[in-house]
Amino acid sequence: KQEVTQIPAALSVPEGENLVLNCSFTDSAIYNLQWFRQDPGKGLTSLLLIQSSQREQTSGRLNASLDKSSGRSTLYIAASQPGDSATYLCAVRGSSNTGKLIFGQGTTLQVKP
Amino acid sequence: GAVVSQHPSRVICKSGTSVKIECRSLDFQATTMFWYRQFPKQSLMLMATSNEGSKATYEQGVEKDKFLINHASLTLSTLTVTSAHPEDSSFYICSAARGEGKGTSNQPQHFGDGTRLSIL
Repeated sequence: KQEVTQIPAALSVPEGENLVLNCSFTDSAIYNLQWFRQDPGKGLTSLLLIQSSQREQTSGRLNASLDKSSGRSTLYIAASQPGDSATYLCAVRGSSNTGKLIFGQGTTLQVKP
Repeated sequence: GAVVSQHPSRVICKSGTSVKIECRSLDFQATTMFWYRQFPKQSLMLMATSNEGSKATYEQGVEKDKFLINHASLTLSTLTVTSAHPEDSSFYICSAARGEGKGTSNQPQHFGDGTRLSIL
């Protein structure tokens, strides 16, 4: 059974700092991995999608990496801003490609001005 | 980009009421949509997979008679919480992806804004 873990559960950093969020999964047989952002009381916004054959994806100040063999992904946020404050969730899609996503518990980020 | 719309955003009702939540893909067709539930400060848990033209597939522990799913068209899935009770209070979110259900899809999942259900 696939399990997804995110560390740390919460993170507080001063504005401008670069930071890394971690995601690990127990079954390396994944189809893809997706990072999401969730603001309080809101739905999920897709940030980056990494296919199983890819090693990283970049969008603006965000960079996500994937090491499928070791069951790990990282989300790197450069030059953090107060507007980046949110909960970040990673989710994996199994290789059976049923479309189901298994989510981690999320990392709640606070960027202080 | 792909947009998923969910309605209503918030519902407050009395115990015993049935509540319907709609999930629409606005600019693409989705043969398959997904319904999740999220408790406060917890992650999303998949409840069921909604399939257009056929019965939904429920995850273990989810009562299909309690949470009725109807995928009436390629752009609309509905979740009805029947005879809702306070323990059903939660945040419900749907998702869909382009091409989902038509074989392999490497597209990202897009989520609605969620429905906050509060049963008094």
